[in-house]
Amino acid sequence: ETGVTQTPRHLVMGMTNKKSLKCEQHLGHNAMYWYKQSAKKPLELMFVYSLEERVENNSVPSRFSPECPNSSHLFLHLHTLQPEDSALYLCASSQDLGQANYGYTFGSGTRLTVV
Amino acid sequence: GESVGLHLPTLSVQEGDNSIINCAYSNSASDYFIWYKQESGKGPQFIIDIRSNMDKRQGQRVTVLLNKTVKHLSLQIAATQPGDSAVYFCADLNSGYALNFGKGTSLLVTP
Repeated sequence: ETGVTQTPRHLVMGMTNKKSLKCEQHLGHNAMYWYKQSAKKPLELMFVYSLEERVENNSVPSRFSPECPNSSHLFLHLHTLQPEDSALYLCASSQDLGQANYGYTFGSGTRLTVV
Repeated sequence: GESVGLHLPTLSVQEGDNSIINCAYSNSASDYFIWYKQESGKGPQFIIDIRSNMDKRQGQRVTVLLNKTVKHLSLQIAATQPGDSAVYFCADLNSGYALNFGKGTSLLVTP
């Protein structure tokens, strides 16, 4: 365990479903991130939160909706996804925004398959 | 396009040999670089980092070299072990807070 926990580990959903991914960290970090990892592509930054405020929305379609109710939890709400959204979704945290010393701490990811 | 990239998608080495994984970056303003290791079914794990005011940094069995002149970064793994088999990513920090990742090199260690 890295200190960042993501649930569920695997998710299969239809294009009309609504589901949520959950990320939890108890490292005392103030910044949290969602990344998308597709096959043969670099990790793509989706959203950045600092002290529960969204500071980055990296041109992500509105069918992805993040939520950060407190500094320990981050959600990614999904609705009407497309098959090309199938990927590994990674959550990460860092002590503070702009402080990448020792990098981010990543969770193990949620493997999402859209059918 | 991406600002960091790895030279080879796959690398096969024999157990006990040294491994070298290369990475190029394009933004001369990048001031912080990180190497990550990602094993199957897991998220990326921090290996080693280096700031732009350094040329070399050593960890346990790993060394990162930074050549700012040619914008090149390398990860050297000494005495490669089967447990080193994974995908390795370089990342740079050039926009204040967002790490920018390359595609990754898959390292396969053969007995």
